[in-house]
Amino acid sequence: AQSVTQLDSQVPVFEEAPVELRCNYSSSVSVYLFWYVQYPNQGLQLLLKYLSGSTLVKGINGFEAEFNKSQTSFHLRKPSVHISDTAEYFCAVSGGNFNKFYFGSGTKLNVKP
Amino acid sequence: DSGVTQTPKHLITATGQRVTLRCSPRSGDLSVYWYQQSLDQGLQFLIHYYNGEERAKGNILERFSAQQFPDLHSELNLSSLELGDSALYFCASSPIVRTNTGELFFGEGSRLTVL
Repeated sequence: AQSVTQLDSQVPVFEEAPVELRCNYSSSVSVYLFWYVQYPNQGLQLLLKYLSGSTLVKGINGFEAEFNKSQTSFHLRKPSVHISDTAEYFCAVSGGNFNKFYFGSGTKLNVKP
Repeated sequence: DSGVTQTPKHLITATGQRVTLRCSPRSGDLSVYWYQQSLDQGLQFLIHYYNGEERAKGNILERFSAQQFPDLHSELNLSSLELGDSALYFCASSPIVRTNTGELFFGEGSRLTVL
């Protein structure tokens, strides 16, 4: 079975500051990892994904994440956030056949001016 | 715009009633996934259909059922509704297996309120 834990339910940060949103996963098999973003009153959209290869993956809007197999983590980072990054961020895990995607409980990023 | 269409956007009904939520996937996508998003439970995987066949089940109640039709649209049927079924129900689609890179394309959701 697979599961995802997002350690922070809310992260307040000032504009132009760096941010890290934490995600840990558990799985007995190889996994694929994803970060999605949800803006108010919208569906989720993909920020970035790790399928294989380089453990540092870059996504849209300046976000990046690092896959750490030994620590079973996939933390999301951005060096300088903008007001427009205020949203809820979800980490997700899937197995190789993509039959199921399990999402974490979400982290609300609140960027303050 | 993700290309995934969900109807209705909002639905208010009473306990004990039955509703049907509809999802049209992106053109060419064969997979449809249903998720329930509530404040206390987060985003819960319900069920996955691929080209008309059920591929995987998650935490879907027996009162809920789904199907995918030959034109690939999908319906989620919720019956004997309870107050706790109030949630945002999302549909997501993804491409055929051999070109699938794992990205899900989400609709904007159907907000169900049970009174």
